[in-house]
This record gives sequence, C-alpha cells and structure tokens, in this order.
Amino acid sequence: GENVEQHPSTLSVQEGDSAVIKCTYSDSASNYFPWYKQELGKRPQLIIDIRSNVGEKKDQRIAVTLNKTAKHFSLHITETQPEDSAVYFCAASRGSSNTGKLIFGQGTTLQVKP
Amino acid sequence: DTEVTQTPKHLVMGMTNKKSLKCEQHMGHRAMYWYKQKAKKPPELMFVYSYEKLSINESVPSRFSPECPNSSLLNLHLHALQPEDSALYLCASSQDPLAGNNEQFFGPGTRLTVL
Repeated sequence: GENVEQHPSTLSVQEGDSAVIKCTYSDSASNYFPWYKQELGKRPQLIIDIRSNVGEKKDQRIAVTLNKTAKHFSLHITETQPEDSAVYFCAASRGSSNTGKLIFGQGTTLQVKP
Repeated sequence: DTEVTQTPKHLVMGMTNKKSLKCEQHMGHRAMYWYKQKAKKPPELMFVYSYEKLSINESVPSRFSPECPNSSLLNLHLHALQPEDSALYLCASSQDPLAGNNEQFFGPGTRLTVL
C-alpha cells in the first residue's frame, strides 16, 4: 500500500551546520510533497512543499529536492539555528484525489546544538 | 481569519463521559480533517470531510463520531473512550483538493486525557 519512509529518525548537528532529511515514497501517483515542522506541544506547521512538476524549491535557509524517478525527496536546512530544533515530518499526496489525503513519514527529531 | 481554531485546548474525561471537540476555519476551505497524534509520532488520519460529505473513515472505532454541520465547522463527538485514546487530536483544513489545492493547515489541537 501507500508508504513513506523517512530517515534519519534523529539528527543532531552543530549550530551553523547543514541538516538533510530524506524521504522515499511508494505511490507513483503521488505528486504533492509537503514538509511539516512540529515544535514540542505545538501544531505541525507547513514549512515548504513541492509538486512533481519541479525538481527543487528554496525558501531562505530551507530547500526541498524531488527525484520522481527514484521516488525520493529531501529537506535541506542550511546554517541551522537552535530554533530549528523540532520534529520534522515529510508527507506525500495524490494531487487528483478529492480528499487530499497525506501519507506521513515517521518523523525526524532534529537537535541543533548551540 | 487565516487560522484553524480548536476548542477546548485540554480535555480530561472519564470512560463513561460524552464530550465533543470543535474545529473551525473561515478560510473557505472545502476539506477538513481529524487526526490523532501520539507523542513524537506522525499525525494519524481519522476522518476526512470533502464538501461537507464524509469522504474517508480510516476504520475508526464507533466511539468517535464526526460531524460537519457546515463548511466552516467540524466536530468530533466522543463517547465511552478508553485510556489508550488519550492523545493530541488535530484538526486540519485544505482549500480544495479536487482542484489540486491540497496544502493542509493544522489547528493547535486538543490534548485529550481519558481516565
């Protein structure tokens, strides 16, 4: 069935370093790939997303890349800051569905050490 | 108004109680979602309403009963819950998945504790 695998499950970096989180999806009909950041006790927040008609999207220190052939997409955070510490979830969705159902990865706990 | 709101923020209930969770959005979004989330796990989809019709029920036990009174409101009625139902219950909405506008925006959640 539909599945999204996310790695690593935990990631610890020094402030200023880069962080990369990778996801692999199984449903070849998926064409929308959002990333959510969830701080402790707060709601998941959409931080960036990408659709299958582009290979890369950037927003300041955050970028997402998509390889449709390999069914991989990745989140890149540059110049990490302590406030980037959170749980990050990737997700995949079929764009033509009338429900917008998201299939989530298991999450990555990112710790940025000052 | 560009947010999804949820009430209450916290709820403690006994296994014999009946309570309801409420979700509201005034962004004109046509799809609304209920999720259950345990600590450090991804949100787990429970129900989807699309154009005020129940589109997905992910085999959720009948002690959870969703209701969509209108396009802005979503309720989750709770009855005879079990302690393992304790979790963060998140509501989300998206503009129009049928048209490809499927960015989902989450509410702050209701922290539910079942004693």
